[in-house]
Amino acid sequence: TQLLEQSPQFLSIQEGENLTVYCNSSSVFSSLQWYRQEPGEGPVLLVTVVTGGEVKKLKRLTFQFGDARKDSSLHITAAQPGDTGLYLCAGISSNTGKLIFGQGTTLQVKP
Amino acid sequence: DAGITQSPRYKITETGRQVTLMCHQTWSHSYMFWYRQDLGHGLRLIYYSAAADITDKGEVPDGYVVSRSKTENFPLTLESATRSQTSVYFCASSSRRSTEAFFGQGTRLTVV
Repeated sequence: TQLLEQSPQFLSIQEGENLTVYCNSSSVFSSLQWYRQEPGEGPVLLVTVVTGGEVKKLKRLTFQFGDARKDSSLHITAAQPGDTGLYLCAGISSNTGKLIFGQGTTLQVKP
Repeated sequence: DAGITQSPRYKITETGRQVTLMCHQTWSHSYMFWYRQDLGHGLRLIYYSAAADITDKGEVPDGYVVSRSKTENFPLTLESATRSQTSVYFCASSSRRSTEAFFGQGTRLTVV
């Protein structure tokens, strides 16, 4: 069974601080995705990383895929209250196409 | 309107009843997924489908049945609802592996 462990599960920080969310697995995935979910809505894709060692930037968000394609991280620089939400990593199985999610990280950024 | 829609948005049912949650997408995406979301568990995969007439189990399939006779529809049936199946259910679709999954608005199901 492929599992994704996300940490931390909850994070409450002040505006302007930096943070990193981790997504780890013992399995290799063909790609990893990061989603953000607002209350009452479905998750929305932020980024997909495919190549081991890949780094992608989306404004103040930096995503990295581990060299072995088993882990990923999301780093937010100078967090803002608008970054508040649930962040989910998801792995795609290369042979089945299954899309498996981690438990999610609830981020609260206080003004 | 193009997109992925779930119905109903809210449902209350009694223990032991059969209930079906509907999911319809207008993009002709090959892949469709059903998840349940509970506090502390993120999204857990119930069933998924790679194409019409092809379905497979996810992480938590017990007590659920799916079918996919048409590409655009992927209904999820709870054969005999239990209180532990109280949850928010999300349907999603994607065109192929490694591409973005688009989610519906979710169905909040309460089993009393």
